[in-house]
Amino acid sequence: QFVLTQSPSASASLGASVKLTCTLSSGHSTYAIAWHQQQPEKGPRYLMFVNSDGTHKKGDGIPDRFSGSSSGAERYLTISSLQSEDEADYYCQTWGTGIQRVFGGGTKLTVL
Amino acid sequence: VQLVESGGGLVKPGRSLRLSCAASGFNFDDFAMHWVRQAPGKGLEWVSGISWDSIIVDYADSVKGRFTISRDNAKNSLYLQMNSLRAEDTAFYYCARDRSLFDNWGQGTLVTVSS
Repeated sequence: QFVLTQSPSASASLGASVKLTCTLSSGHSTYAIAWHQQQPEKGPRYLMFVNSDGTHKKGDGIPDRFSGSSSGAERYLTISSLQSEDEADYYCQTWGTGIQRVFGGGTKLTVL
Repeated sequence: VQLVESGGGLVKPGRSLRLSCAASGFNFDDFAMHWVRQAPGKGLEWVSGISWDSIIVDYADSVKGRFTISRDNAKNSLYLQMNSLRAEDTAFYYCARDRSLFDNWGQGTLVTVSS
């Protein structure tokens, strides 16, 4: 079973930067992932696709403050110049078996 | 791109409900589609997926045998037939477009299973 591991929570100050991590389970370290943002009381929104080589492709309208990177089995989402509206839950996603898809448990980001 | 879910509501345990997702703004039959749910206060859970031609379908173990995904490419619509509903199926249900991974989401429809 594919597993994506995320820290349950993270926090950073307004205007600062934060780096969220999604770790792929053993044997799947070459998989790409997608990052999704879910603001309070809203549906999820696609942020970007992050490849194993660290290249990433953002969705339409996603600010430059959001970027992705990779190292080994870890995939990162970095948000710079944090704004209050960045306070949200962030989920990573990858492929499961066949058409199945897998989500990480999500990281709740608090902007202080 | 727009995905609009409908069909949610309050239903008693053991009953059925059919969700719909109306797609617009893209060639619907070029993409696989999925349903994802989120129980109150919980994370995202993949529920079911269907290939563009309906040949490949799959379900999470938690709904296998009770839920059926389908699509009508002529109507640009995705469906989820939910039978034998349980309290633990209570959640927001989202449809999502699959461009390898998900790149567009609907706003969700709430399903509440309660007596």
